[in-house]
Amino acid sequence: GAVVSQHPSWVICKSGTSVKIECRSLDFQATTMFWYRQFPKQSLMLMATSNEGSKATYEQGVEKDKFLINHASLTLSTLTVTSAHPEDSSFYICSARGPGSPLHFGNGTRLTVT
Amino acid sequence: AQSVTQLGSHVSVSEGALVLLRCNYSSSVPPYLFWYVQYPNQGLQLLLKYTSAATLVKGINGFEAEFKKSETSFHLTKPSAHMSDAAEYFCAVSDPDTGNQFYFGTGTSLTVIP
Repeated sequence: GAVVSQHPSWVICKSGTSVKIECRSLDFQATTMFWYRQFPKQSLMLMATSNEGSKATYEQGVEKDKFLINHASLTLSTLTVTSAHPEDSSFYICSARGPGSPLHFGNGTRLTVT
Repeated sequence: AQSVTQLGSHVSVSEGALVLLRCNYSSSVPPYLFWYVQYPNQGLQLLLKYTSAATLVKGINGFEAEFKKSETSFHLTKPSAHMSDAAEYFCAVSDPDTGNQFYFGTGTSLTVIP
């Protein structure tokens, strides 16, 4: 079946550096991708929606200059956390959907900023 | 607009006992409803979904959920808990017209006591 691959599964970075998380659809064309963030002991929060070839639409309260989303192809979307701070430490999950396909989730990325 | 409420952020049951995880939703249109499970250090996995067919939905690992429109509920049950069921469970709702954007509940952490 369709699979969404998210990489890396975990990453540790120093405060002030940038981290890129990739989300790939392996056997379908992901026309729409979603990025979520899970705070400790809280639910998943939708951060942004990206359609291939278009600028991402960010949810209220999400800083678009801090969380850069690129969806340049039908199989790849990236989330870059710029100038990361410890409060950005979280679990980030992507999901993807294509024409006629259900929504598939990646396995998530655990980001720890030291 | 859609929203989901999960009553009880933590539920503990004895091994072999009934599992009941509660989910109530708010939606302006008949929604699609989902239960996801997140095992420790893993990504989200779809347990089951309701998409306007049978109101009693059977999922993986012996779980099932019943859509009750009059109660705006979609509670998750399993007759007999296993130790391996210990995980975090998320209820989610989506708008069937778009099918893309998901709204998640805050999650319920299930502990199974031997």
